[in-house]
Amino acid sequence: DGGITQSPKYLFRKEGQNVTLSCEQNLNHDAMYWYRQDPGQGLRLIYYSQIVNDFQKGDIAEGYSVSREKKESFPLTVTSAQKNPTAFYLCASSVTGTSGESSYNEQFFGPGTRLTVL
Amino acid sequence: QKEVEQDPGPLSVPEGAIVSLNCTYSNSAFQYFMWYRQYSRKGPELLMYTYSSGNKEDGRFTAQVDKSSKYISLFIRDSQPSDSATYLCARFGGTSYGKLTFGQGTILTVHP
Repeated sequence: DGGITQSPKYLFRKEGQNVTLSCEQNLNHDAMYWYRQDPGQGLRLIYYSQIVNDFQKGDIAEGYSVSREKKESFPLTVTSAQKNPTAFYLCASSVTGTSGESSYNEQFFGPGTRLTVL
Repeated sequence: QKEVEQDPGPLSVPEGAIVSLNCTYSNSAFQYFMWYRQYSRKGPELLMYTYSSGNKEDGRFTAQVDKSSKYISLFIRDSQPSDSATYLCARFGGTSYGKLTFGQGTILTVHP
């Protein structure tokens, strides 16, 4: 089955520790994204990558880092510099295209990782 | 002002009711609009996307865009308890990297 997997489902971290969240996709999508979801705030973009070995900061990149060494994988590291890391983290990949004169982006999401700082 | 505003609810309706979920946006450059459904502790799944003003229908779901008033809506007919979820609206502004901007999400409960 094609899809996006994230692991672990639940993650607990002590203050001062770095942790890495895994995201893998077998959809052959070029673009991948990391979002953070907090209650009442929708999804906020942390980092995105349009192609292997390239990634860009999103709206809330401080305290996070990513790598994109393979098309299928886009791990996110939550560093100790992230002051409020407890949240639900979602990875997505996307198909982009055009319809007439317009472009579109259809993003598919993984099941998420819930990170809690103890 | 947030780029996409959505009433967070919660919204509670009886089974069989027609549900109306709404979002407003502030940037006229927005092109595509999307509705995602998210069950508790799960990732969002794409329900529908639409471009331009007018309606798009898929089974019990209808997406409506009114670009003149910058208003997007999702209607659910004959609502079912399985429709209970958080519904997120999003817009795609056509930028090269495909950024989606999401509303806060509306929590919907359909009770039997």
